[in-house]
Amino acid sequence: QSALTQPRSVSGSPGQSVTISCTGTSSDVGGYNYISWYQQHPGKAPKLMIFDVNKRPSGVPDRFSGSKSGKTASLTISGLQADDEADYYCCSYADNWVFGGGTKLTVL
Amino acid sequence: QVQLQESGPGLVKPSQTVSLTCTVSGGAISGGGYYWSWIRQHPGKGLEWIGYIYDSGTTYYNPSLKSRLTISVDTSKNQFSLTLSSVTAAETAMYYCARVTTRGAWRFDTWGHGTLVTVSS
Repeated sequence: QSALTQPRSVSGSPGQSVTISCTGTSSDVGGYNYISWYQQHPGKAPKLMIFDVNKRPSGVPDRFSGSKSGKTASLTISGLQADDEADYYCCSYADNWVFGGGTKLTVL
Repeated sequence: QVQLQESGPGLVKPSQTVSLTCTVSGGAISGGGYYWSWIRQHPGKGLEWIGYIYDSGTTYYNPSLKSRLTISVDTSKNQFSLTLSSVTAAETAMYYCARVTTRGAWRFDTWGHGTLVTVSS
């Protein structure tokens, strides 16, 4: 199973919005709604930010939102803050589980 | 609040077997309908799902690792474990354990801090 495709990096200024894409196939992203997103700060464990395409766990700010269209899922972060600077990974069910290669978000 | 903590040898020689344990605290490993998973991250790289186990003992493995992998659970110790045989240097990675919640939608909702495994002679 190939990793899902994410941009290597994205950037934005504080207060702006950024969107991170996650492209797969009809066998993973396109075939299931078990899409989740994880935030990872350097040296830390991943943290669940979005699940079931667009649901937020308790405690995750509503600045984080998710969506899906066809074989591409997206994570949008609005009102960027300095602490949002991290790596972000998408994940999809695909008869097993597959992650994206990760996107480094830089807050300028 | 459930917490997970990985433990392991740190350094393993090529061709040997690595065994890791994840201790679950703050909640029972069985009876909650959770899956218990292992995920690894090669240095500077993305995440790779290794496999998971249900509290009944049913396992699901990444096909690329299936022939060398065993995941087991010890409910009496509230632990689950990973055994990976015939390791190579390419398997040097941070190994995380994580809980999979299935109610409503499946997701890896709780993670341990990770344990670094270095494969080197």
